Amino acid sequence: QVQLVESGGGLVKPGGSLRLSCAASGFTFSDSYMTWIRQAPGKGLEWVSYISSRSSYTNYAASVRGRFTISRDDAKNSLYLQMNSLRVDDTAVYYCARERELDTAMAPFDYWGQGALVTVSS
Amino acid sequence: DIVMTQSPDSLAVSLGERATINCKSSQTVLYNSNNKNYLGWYQQKPGQPPKLLIYWASTRESGVPDRFSGSGSGTDFTLTISSLQAEDVAVYYCQQYYSTPITFGQGTRLEIK
Repeated sequence: QVQLVESGGGLVKPGGSLRLSCAASGFTFSDSYMTWIRQAPGKGLEWVSYISSRSSYTNYAASVRGRFTISRDDAKNSLYLQMNSLRVDDTAVYYCARERELDTAMAPFDYWGQGALVTVSS
Repeated sequence: DIVMTQSPDSLAVSLGERATINCKSSQTVLYNSNNKNYLGWYQQKPGQPPKLLIYWASTRESGVPDRFSGSGSGTDFTLTISSLQAEDVAVYYCQQYYSTPITFGQGTRLEIK
């Protein structure tokens, strides 16, 4: 069955960096667009970034553009989010998710990981 | 950016009764070339990730009970739970995937009356 497992969350000071990972299994990872979504404590859902299959395309929310970098390693069935220049308002649970349709970012997210908590605080 | 606005923010419904949640987008999410509405609905229970319920505005995801249904087109959409069960207590989100940035509604909290 499809599984997505995030890791790498933790406590970091403002201005610091953190790298999240998402290990995928149960499907052909290399064929899928993948996405990061975050949820601040007690708040709603915010799309962060997506990456196409074969890493051809990436896109970012304005709030993270220039600070966060999404990448993937298809040989390791893994998705990553490098987060630099972290701010207090980046504090959230970060979910990786799979796009339901192949070869497009214009699709809903059919599988989600359990999330990784990132806390930015001094 | 397409702004998604849900109503109400919270809702209390008796067991076995109908629950209706509305979602309005600031611009159309209907793609004319394929006549599909790029609109999804998710359910999130405490401590869990969101779960996809409905996509293309009215297509039920595999395994989702048929008491959940979606309707609407263009800019106005509705999620209906025909007969509320205790396990349906959750926060529900609509989402547009018509264009980036992909955006979600603010969420509707559904409780038992």
